[in-house]
Amino acid sequence: QSALTQPRSVSGSPGQSVTISCTGTSSDVGGYNHVSWYQQYPGKAPKLMIYNVSKRPSGVPDRFSGSKSGNTASLTISGLQAEDEADYYCCSYAGTYPYVFGTGTKVTVL
Amino acid sequence: QLQLQESGPGLVKPSETVSLTCTVSSVSISSSSYYWGWIRQPPGKGLEYVGSIYYSGSTYYNPSLKIRVTISIDTSKNQFSLKLSSVTAADTAVYYCAPLTASLAAFDYWGQGTLVTVSS
Repeated sequence: QSALTQPRSVSGSPGQSVTISCTGTSSDVGGYNHVSWYQQYPGKAPKLMIYNVSKRPSGVPDRFSGSKSGNTASLTISGLQAEDEADYYCCSYAGTYPYVFGTGTKVTVL
Repeated sequence: QLQLQESGPGLVKPSETVSLTCTVSSVSISSSSYYWGWIRQPPGKGLEYVGSIYYSGSTYYNPSLKIRVTISIDTSKNQFSLKLSSVTAADTAVYYCAPLTASLAAFDYWGQGTLVTVSS
């Protein structure tokens, strides 16, 4: 089972929107609605931002949203803020595997 | 609020077995709501799922690590543990304990992580 594919980096100016893609296969992203997204600051533990493709845990700003189409999931950050600069990882349930993470994306706020 | 604390040796020699423990607070490790998991992150690299254990004792391992990994649970101490055998430099990483909340199918609590360095 290979890691899910994410762009190495994305960037945007404050107030803009950025979208991070997470591409897998029909055995993981495409096969289940169990995609989650994590935000990680340097030297810190990851934080859950999205679960089950598009649901936000309590306390996560609504400018973070998730979606999925086929074998690709996406995380969109609307109204980008300086504090959103971090690494982001997707994760998918993959049946017998059973979980696989993405390669990670660095979000830079210009 | 569920809290987690990893403990273990910071340095191990190649070919040895590293043992890590995660102490869980505020929630019983016998709860059916969680799969108690380990995730690791090599320095400067991405996250990798290592494995999980359910309160019943059922285990789920990353196939690429399966032959070297054992995860166990100690209900008397409210802890779960990871043993990784025959370690090499490639196993150098920050190891996080992170329960998977069953209803979310996601890791919504994380320990602070513990760095394990494999070096002679």
